Formats: sequence, structure tokens, C-alpha cells
Amino acid sequence: EVQLVESGGGLVQPGGSLRLSCAASGFTFSTYWMHWVRQAPGKGLVWVSRINADGSSIAYADSVKGRFTISRDNAKNTLSLQMNSLRAEDAAVYYCLRWEPGVAFDCWGQGTLVAVSS
Amino acid sequence: DIQMTQSPSSLSASVGDRVTITCRASQSIAFYLNWYQQKPGKAPKLLIYGASNLHSGVPSRFSGSGSGTDFTLTISDLQPEDFATYYCQQSYSAPPDTFGQGTKLEIK
Repeated sequence: EVQLVESGGGLVQPGGSLRLSCAASGFTFSTYWMHWVRQAPGKGLVWVSRINADGSSIAYADSVKGRFTISRDNAKNTLSLQMNSLRAEDAAVYYCLRWEPGVAFDCWGQGTLVAVSS
Repeated sequence: DIQMTQSPSSLSASVGDRVTITCRASQSIAFYLNWYQQKPGKAPKLLIYGASNLHSGVPSRFSGSGSGTDFTLTISDLQPEDFATYYCQQSYSAPPDTFGQGTKLEIK
């Protein structure tokens, strides 16, 4: 079974840091582009970042550029998102997603909640 | 960036009804339009990709159409489990992969 499981969310103060992880199983992780998408409480879906299969190509939404870093460890089937200088507006559920070429985001994790508050 | 606009933002319907949700792109995206369903407290699930292709396991009462800038998601014979929020997403020009603002389908 294809599965993505996020972890690492929690409560952090403004200006703080948090590292999210996503454990992949049931598929050949090293061949897929992976993404992070977030959803603030009661709001819509917003794309955050993506990384290609071997980690050589990375992109970020303008709102997180310079503060967030996406990475992957294909040996451990793990995707990560290092979030620094967190702001109140970064509070959201963060989803890890798999991009299936020619299809779309065909697999989503259950999400991990990030709260930013003093 | 390509902007995606869904209408309506919310919709009330009854079991057995046929409903249509519209998604409009700010520029042509050919057939690169995907639809997702999200239930409260759950992650979104892929319904339709490439404007009209049903994802594996999705009931045939869901259908999609359109090309260029205008797209529709149609649900025929609404079932109780279909009441959810629906999002469109363009994959023509990324990054960023942009989503519509969502359409909440509620029980009348």
C-alpha cells in the first residue's frame, strides 16, 4: 500500500523553527517528485515546495522562500521540510504529496499541524 | 502565476441531485486540470486528472470536462458520502501548482 506519514508538527513561537518529516512506503520513493502543500484552518490548499526525484531541482512558494528548506533522503525514503523564522501566517496543516507524472497529486499524507503562537 | 477561480464557493443539494462545479483559469492550461475531494479533518483525495480522466477507484458518477480556461466537475446522483469540499488544481505551469479556493457541497 502506498503511504505517506508526516510528523514533526507542533506549537512554536514566532521566529522559531520546526522540521517536518514525511515517511514514504509502498512505492519506489527515489523515482518520484515530492511536494508540500499547506492548509490554514478553515482555508484552502496552498502549494509550498517541491523537490525532484534526485533532489537536484527545488522550488518554493514566494511566501516561504528563504525561510523553508525542502530535502529528501532516498536511502531512508524520507522527505523533510525545515521551517525557520516561522510567522503566524505559517500556521497550517502541512501535507506531504506524491506527484505521479501524467496524473496529478495521487497520494497525500494525513497531514501534520503546525501552530505558531507566543 | 496562473490563478484558479471556482464557482460557486458553496452549494446546497440533495441526495440524488446532479451538481456542477466550475473552475476557471486565468490563462489557457490546455487539459492540465485536476480535481480533489476533501472531507472534514481528512487529506484531499484525487478524483479526476487531465480534466476528464477518472482516478482509480473513483465512482463513475463523477465526471470532468473542459479545456483551455473553463472546466467543470459534475456529480450525478449525489450520494451522502459526496458532501465535501472540492478543489481544482492546474498543473500546466508550475511552480507554483495553484489550487482553486474550493467549493463546499452541503446537504440541503
